[in-house]
Amino acid sequence: GENVEQHPSTLSVQEGDSAVIKCTYSDSASNYFPWYKQELGKRPQLIIDIRSNVGEKKDQRIAVTLNKTAKHFSLHITETQPEDSAVYFCASNNNDMRFGAGTRLTVKP
Amino acid sequence: SQTIHQWPATLVQPVGSPLSLECTVEGTSNPNLYWYRQAAGRGLQLLFYSVGIGQISSEVPQNLSASRPQDRQFILSSKKLLLSDSGFYLCAWAGRGGYGYTFGSGTRLTVV
Repeated sequence: GENVEQHPSTLSVQEGDSAVIKCTYSDSASNYFPWYKQELGKRPQLIIDIRSNVGEKKDQRIAVTLNKTAKHFSLHITETQPEDSAVYFCASNNNDMRFGAGTRLTVKP
Repeated sequence: SQTIHQWPATLVQPVGSPLSLECTVEGTSNPNLYWYRQAAGRGLQLLFYSVGIGQISSEVPQNLSASRPQDRQFILSSKKLLLSDSGFYLCAWAGRGGYGYTFGSGTRLTVV
């Protein structure tokens, strides 16, 4: 089955800096790659996603890139703010969704 | 619009007691349905998924089971809970192809 690796497990940045989280997947048939943000005690919420026919997608301060050949995709957050602090999960989908282990992002004011 | 309902929000159960968590989806038909478990401070572990009524795929052999008696209803059960069953249980639904993947609000289960 699909295996999704996510790095780093924890990330601490200063407010205003950029944050990058990287994921790799194993199933070349996977075609949908969402990213979720989970605040403490709450459900994961979709923040951005990308499909396999697109290399990059941007939504304000958040962007995601996909390299199908290398089977990796990344989340980029620019101009980070304290409210960006949360756990972020990448996922890869081919009929069922497999999640990375998560990255705990801390943005220090 | 589509909504997903999951209950109860919190549950404290003694070891050896049964469990039934329910998840329902509104505003869509023939969704893919999923049960995940999240241990404290950990990632999301896929437990079961279903692509249709009566069709259940199990990812992790354990004392949990799932059933889909209706198109938009997904139930997670156990006959006898273990301490290790404690965690945050999340139901999710998606359309065909896995797009629009949305989580329910979760059930925090504590087995004592």
